[in-house]
Amino acid sequence: SQTIHQWPATLVQPVGSPLSLECTVEGTSNPNLYWYRQAAGRGLQLLFYSVGIGQISSEVPQNLSASRPQDRQFILSSKKLLLSDSGFYLCAWSEQGVPSVYEQYFGPGTRLTVT
Amino acid sequence: LAKTTQPISMDSYEGQEVNITCSHNNIATNDYITWYQQFPSQGPRFIIQGYKTKVTNEVASLFIPADRKSSTLSLPRVSLSDTAVYYCLVGDEGLTGGGNKLTFGTGTQLKVEL
Repeated sequence: SQTIHQWPATLVQPVGSPLSLECTVEGTSNPNLYWYRQAAGRGLQLLFYSVGIGQISSEVPQNLSASRPQDRQFILSSKKLLLSDSGFYLCAWSEQGVPSVYEQYFGPGTRLTVT
Repeated sequence: LAKTTQPISMDSYEGQEVNITCSHNNIATNDYITWYQQFPSQGPRFIIQGYKTKVTNEVASLFIPADRKSSTLSLPRVSLSDTAVYYCLVGDEGLTGGGNKLTFGTGTQLKVEL
């Protein structure tokens, strides 16, 4: 069966510090990978998605970046965090193709607080 | 982009059937309708997906009328553990560089009481 891991679970970082969140998927190959952010009391916002190694697309301009160095590894980074980067970050995967792409499986999330 | 509209909140009692209706008037021919459930401090969980008519799985049923401009998620005999936010999503093509994505709104907060 497929498993998705995210770490860390919680993170408190000062403004201006760097960020690296990691997500790995097991039990599947060539998945679509996604990074979402959920602000308190809000819906999920798609930040990045990837259809393959080295292929990253950004949905929202921001000071965050994403990389996919391996097929089942997705990394979210920032060089300098802003207060507005606080939120609940979720990684997700799906099979490719329609309608499988709409059946996404989410990781446990990382609660990021920028102080 | 097919926008969805669903109630902000609903209340129910244990053992009752809950029906959450979602409106998506601008749904495109190729769009699928997907529902997710989210508990606090967890990622959303896929519940069910459909294109037309009725889909049923071990968790819920999804009813889609012929015009596909709305859909209803039906949860039979809810329990306290079904208290969560339920999202109705209509897949759309529009990712930068191509591809398909889900657009999450604020969902429906379902509260189940004894």
